[in-house]
Amino acid sequence: SYELTQAPSVSVSPGQTGTITCSGDNLVNKYVSWYQQKPGHSPVLVIYHDNKRPSGIPERFSGSNSENTATLTISGTQATDEADYYCQAWVSSTAVFGGGTKLTVL
Amino acid sequence: EVQLVESGGDLVQPGGTLRLSCTASGFAFSDHYMDWVRQAPGKGLEWVGRTRNKRNNYAPEYAASVKGRFSISRDESKQSLYLQMTNLKSDDTAVYYCASGSGGTLAFDIWGQGTLVTVS
Repeated sequence: SYELTQAPSVSVSPGQTGTITCSGDNLVNKYVSWYQQKPGHSPVLVIYHDNKRPSGIPERFSGSNSENTATLTISGTQATDEADYYCQAWVSSTAVFGGGTKLTVL
Repeated sequence: EVQLVESGGDLVQPGGTLRLSCTASGFAFSDHYMDWVRQAPGKGLEWVGRTRNKRNNYAPEYAASVKGRFSISRDESKQSLYLQMTNLKSDDTAVYYCASGSGGTLAFDIWGQGTLVTVS
């Protein structure tokens, strides 16, 4: 079965750029979405179609997808960005999620 | 306001059955594919399955882990989505979210608040 692999944790200093990656075979051939989830809350879509931001998502969130790796980049990271982040793609009509990355802002 | 509200979560014994409901409002429910996503305590997100819209004959898809045990249906008149769960196992313990995506995004931009199912 298809797998999306994410690092369990990433740390970033406030104001710096945080980078979260998601790896999968030929991932560039799939559209990748990214979700932010804070403790006790439902996930929120922050990026879809690899690099598009839904309405209301700050411009500091951006995405890219190349070869086998999709990347979520948070520029000028704020304390409020501390959360779990999940990538997701569609494989043969089934949704696959990465294992999630906990972003710590310190 | 666009909203999904789940209900029906409960404590159930292994081998038992349970039906979850999700009521939609604020968007054209009949046009949307509707999905279920779950999250075991302290774990990541896992897609459970979906039902397509009327145009696509409400055709379902299921994750391998639940195929044959779970069934997804919808009632357009009630703008509701259902997840019928049978032969429940301890591994099915999770918060269950209903979710949907706006046309063409291939993403879930609408989520409910979740309902907790405990199998024990």
